[in-house]
Amino acid sequence: DVKVTQSSRYLVKRTGEKVFLECVQDMDHENMFWYRQDPGLGLRLIYFSYDVKMKEKGDIPEGYSVSREKKERFSLILESASTNQTSMYLCASREGTGNSPLHFGNGTRLTVT
Amino acid sequence: GQSLEQPSEVTAVEGAIVQINCTYQTSGFYGLSWYQQHDGGAPTFLSYNALDGLEETGRFSSFLSRSDSYGYLLLQELQMKDSASYFCAVRGFDSGGYQKVTFGTGTKLQVIP
Repeated sequence: DVKVTQSSRYLVKRTGEKVFLECVQDMDHENMFWYRQDPGLGLRLIYFSYDVKMKEKGDIPEGYSVSREKKERFSLILESASTNQTSMYLCASREGTGNSPLHFGNGTRLTVT
Repeated sequence: GQSLEQPSEVTAVEGAIVQINCTYQTSGFYGLSWYQQHDGGAPTFLSYNALDGLEETGRFSSFLSRSDSYGYLLLQELQMKDSASYFCAVRGFDSGGYQKVTFGTGTKLQVIP
C-alpha cells in the first residue's frame, strides 16, 4: 500500500512565523501535490511537482512556496504565516503515468494565531 | 481554468440508491475521478472515467458524458458507513501544459436509518 506521511497532525503557529509542512511518500511516485481544504471550498491546489527540483504553481500559490530536493519528500513553506492560512493541508502523490489516482496523507491542521 | 459544481448536501435512506451529480468546465480534459472522505480522514480514490459511459465497482458506479461536461456517482444499497463527503475531480491541463487535478467543493452525504 502507498503510504503518504505528513509530519504533523496538528500545528499551532503565530502570525509572521515561517512554517514548514513536510510530506514523505514511500512508493517512488514522481508527482506530488499540496492542497488546502476549507469548509465549503473543497480542496484547492497550492503547488505541485512532477520531478525533483521541479515545482509548478497551482490555483492558490500566494503566500506559499515549496521545495522538492528528494523524490520522496515535498515540503510546503509558509514564509510568513497569516491567520487566513489557518486550514487543513493535504499532501498527495501519484505515479507519473497513466490514470493513477492521488494518494493522500492524513492532513495537517494548521492554526495561525 | 477549471471549475466543478456539485450539490453541497444529500440525504438518503439506508438501503436506497443515491446519485451525486458533477458538472465541470476545463481547458483540456483527461478524465473525471471521484473521492470519498470520512470526517477526520483523508480522501480516498473511488473511481475514474476517461471515456463516456458507466464504470461499475461493486455498489458504486460512475458515469461520464464528455459532450455534456457532466458526470455522476451512483451509490446503491446505501449503508450507514457511506455517510461521508464525496468529491468529483477533473484531470486537465494548466496554462503551462502540465496535468493537474482540480476538485469540486464536495457533497456531504448523510445516510439515515
